[in-house]
Amino acid sequence: TQLLEQSPQFLSIQEGENLTVYCNSSSVFSSLQWYRQEPGEGPVLLVTVVTGGEVKKLKRLTFQFGDARKDSSLHITAAQPGDTGLYLCAGGGSGGSNYKLTFGKGTLLTVNP
Amino acid sequence: GAGVSQSPSNKVTEKGKDVELRCDPISGHTALYWYRQSLGQGLEFLIYFQGNSAPDKSGLPSDRFSAERTGGSVSTLTIQRTQQEDSAVYLCASSLAGHIGELFFGEGSRLTVL
Repeated sequence: TQLLEQSPQFLSIQEGENLTVYCNSSSVFSSLQWYRQEPGEGPVLLVTVVTGGEVKKLKRLTFQFGDARKDSSLHITAAQPGDTGLYLCAGGGSGGSNYKLTFGKGTLLTVNP
Repeated sequence: GAGVSQSPSNKVTEKGKDVELRCDPISGHTALYWYRQSLGQGLEFLIYFQGNSAPDKSGLPSDRFSAERTGGSVSTLTIQRTQQEDSAVYLCASSLAGHIGELFFGEGSRLTVL
């Protein structure tokens, strides 16, 4: 079983602060996705990274895929209350499956005004 | 509709009863997934359908769980003789093709077994 460990599990910060959440595994993935889920809704894709060492920026969000394609991080600059939600990482392509995503348990982020 | 539609949004049932959860994927999406999300447990893969291929049922937790997809579109997840540990949010997702791309999720069906 390929596991993705996310940390921290919970994070509560004030508006304007920066934060980083981590996604780590002992398995190599061909791609790594980050989703955000708000209460009562399904997860929504934020980004997909596929190349080791890749960095992608989406406004105030910066995503990095580790060189060995086993880990990833999400950095948010100047967090806003609208960033509140459950952030999930999901790895694909491990264990020979080209269609199955393995999800981490998520980081629940609360940004207080 | 434009998105993945799931019904019911909430289901409360008594232990031992059977339940059916429905998923209507985005039109044209050939791949369909069911995931289960329990409190503090993340998303657990249940089953995957791709076109007319045999489904990947490797994530179904017991033989009380089954799913079908009719006509390559609507899918139904059935849980027989429900147990309290089946309480969770059941999420359906669809995607364009059989390789890993963006999964489009429905809002989920929240199942509570009393």
